[in-house]
Amino acid sequence: AQTVTQSQPEMSVQEAETVTLSCTYDTSESDYYLFWYKQPPSRQMILVIRQEAYKQQNATENRFSVNFQKAAKSFSLKISDSQLGDAAMYFCALRSYNTDKLIFGTGTRLQVFP
Amino acid sequence: DTEVTQTPKHLVMGMTNKKSLKCEQHMGHRAMYWYKQKAKKPPELMFVYSYEKLSINESVPSRFSPECPNSSLLNLHLHALQPEDSALYLCASSQQERNTIYFGEGSWLTVV
Repeated sequence: AQTVTQSQPEMSVQEAETVTLSCTYDTSESDYYLFWYKQPPSRQMILVIRQEAYKQQNATENRFSVNFQKAAKSFSLKISDSQLGDAAMYFCALRSYNTDKLIFGTGTRLQVFP
Repeated sequence: DTEVTQTPKHLVMGMTNKKSLKCEQHMGHRAMYWYKQKAKKPPELMFVYSYEKLSINESVPSRFSPECPNSSLLNLHLHALQPEDSALYLCASSQQERNTIYFGEGSWLTVV
């Protein structure tokens, strides 16, 4: 069975500072994708960043970057220069190549303080 | 453009009503999904359509009935729902080659 674990129910950060959200996962598959989704109070699930497991290079999207450690099955999200608009629930998710299922973690609520 | 459009945004229905949630995407994606999300929980997969055929049904009660009229549209027909079915219903789609699942804004359903 595939699982995704987010051990931080809530995190907070000061505006302009950096914060890291943790995610670990378990899968027996060798080919898979990992994602971070953001869900603000409006509740739309927005893709933040994705990582293909076969790529060693960590994905980056502007202020968002990941630290992908395949052997440790760890996939953390770093948000640099945090902004008030980054406040949201963040979900880590896993999808194998051969399935349409997206396995979500339980989420981390991020608060950003001015 | 990664847009998935859901209507209505809000729906209140009685337990004896019949209603439908609608979802549309024009990205040429071959897979479409329905998820249910309760407050402070991650989304739970309900159904997946692949090439307009139902490929995954996560043991969802028959009072929820999905329909995929064509490759761009996905409906969720609702009948005889219970108050515990009140939730946010998210539609999503994906293109096989890219494997990213894109979500709509959701439909808030309240069963009274």
